[in-house]
Amino acid sequence: GQQLNQSPQSMFIQEGEDVSMNCTSSSIFNTWLWYKQDPGEGPVLLIALYKAGELTSNGRLTAQFGITRKDSFLNISASIPSDVGIYFCAGLQGAQKLVFGQGTRLTINP
Amino acid sequence: NAGVTQTPKFQVLKTGQSMTLQCAQDMNHNSMYWYRQDPGMGLRLIYYSASEGTTDKGEVPNGYNVSRLNKREFSLRLESAAPSQTSVYFCASVSGDLRGETQYFGPGTRLLVL
Repeated sequence: GQQLNQSPQSMFIQEGEDVSMNCTSSSIFNTWLWYKQDPGEGPVLLIALYKAGELTSNGRLTAQFGITRKDSFLNISASIPSDVGIYFCAGLQGAQKLVFGQGTRLTINP
Repeated sequence: NAGVTQTPKFQVLKTGQSMTLQCAQDMNHNSMYWYRQDPGMGLRLIYYSASEGTTDKGEVPNGYNVSRLNKREFSLRLESAAPSQTSVYFCASVSGDLRGETQYFGPGTRLLVL
């Protein structure tokens, strides 16, 4: 099935550092979504992107929809301990099917 | 308002046993989904139901069946469990389709098949 390549797989950073992760695909998606998953919980939507080139912010989070519609990135500025978790990108196929990346596990050293 | 609820939270099965995972939402959503999550694989769609009375296959439907019992409930059944079905299963719902909508996930069911 269709896969999104998400990188890096894991990150170990110091509190206060900025974080950047990205997703690429060989296929075009019309919507890109970024989720965060805390341990023992389901994913929670952070940012949704609907247009190629779109740049959207949600607090310290910024995400962009690549112009080719085959990639997206997520940046987190000035990381804090509660940012720890697994971040997933997802691309929408049609109206109902999401394809998820493999996830980026973020660990923050205080 | 509990959102999306799933039962059970944990389950251990022997190979060949059957079980049903239950999911319910109280947000009056039309669309419901079942995903499985495996290490390093992200979430993969098993089945979804765009509305009451309809179901469609996702990316990995083999070995599963679903029932959209009513608008609130969407169950996932394993008729003959296999070790490859050891995973964490998430149910989700959304009011319409995923375009412009937030998909709400349940807390997950952790299944171990021995």
